[in-house]
Amino acid sequence: QKEVEQNSGPLSVPEGAIASLNCTYSDRGSQSFFWYRQYSGKSPELIMSIYSNGDKEDGRFTAQLNKASQYVSLLIRDSQPSDSATYLCAVGASGGSYIPTFGRGTSLIVHP
Amino acid sequence: GAVVSQHPSRVICKSGTSVKIECRSLDFQATTMFWYRQFPKKSLMLMATSNEGSKATYEQGVEKDKFLINHASLTLSTLTVTSAHPEDSSFYICSARVYLNSDTQYFGPGTRLTVL
Repeated sequence: QKEVEQNSGPLSVPEGAIASLNCTYSDRGSQSFFWYRQYSGKSPELIMSIYSNGDKEDGRFTAQLNKASQYVSLLIRDSQPSDSATYLCAVGASGGSYIPTFGRGTSLIVHP
Repeated sequence: GAVVSQHPSRVICKSGTSVKIECRSLDFQATTMFWYRQFPKKSLMLMATSNEGSKATYEQGVEKDKFLINHASLTLSTLTVTSAHPEDSSFYICSARVYLNSDTQYFGPGTRLTVL
């Protein structure tokens, strides 16, 4: 059973701070990792994908991957109230099957 | 990114009726689409994987006779909830697998189904 674990939160940060969202996974052979943002009542929206160890930056978002520790994180710099949402971590399956496994998501609240 | 549409966005129906939800890839061809269900404040639950021209692969515990999936073309997959009951009320979301710079899936906007 492939598992993707996220702290459900809520994670509350003040506006302008860095929000750090974490995700661990069980499938050691996974090669693809994704972060989605989901606003209440809406469908998930892809924010970032990462495939190699290290950091990947896109605007205010930075994804960090450590395959040895089976850990992937998302940093949001200069957090804004509009970043308040649930963030889903998804991990691609190993062994040729594409179907990713989603975590339960972390609720982020950015307060003014 | 790739655009995926869903129709209808919201549907209310009586118990016992069937409801069809359409999922379309607008600017690309999708050989693989996925159907998810999400209850309030719960995680996404993969229901089935839909491959163009072949039978859908259902996840364990999902009734294939109740949730009929058809993927007749490279841009359209449909989910039909047959003989819907109140417990089928949920948020149904499709996604399409697409390879742009990498192998990724993009979600449609979802369909909120309410069965009275």
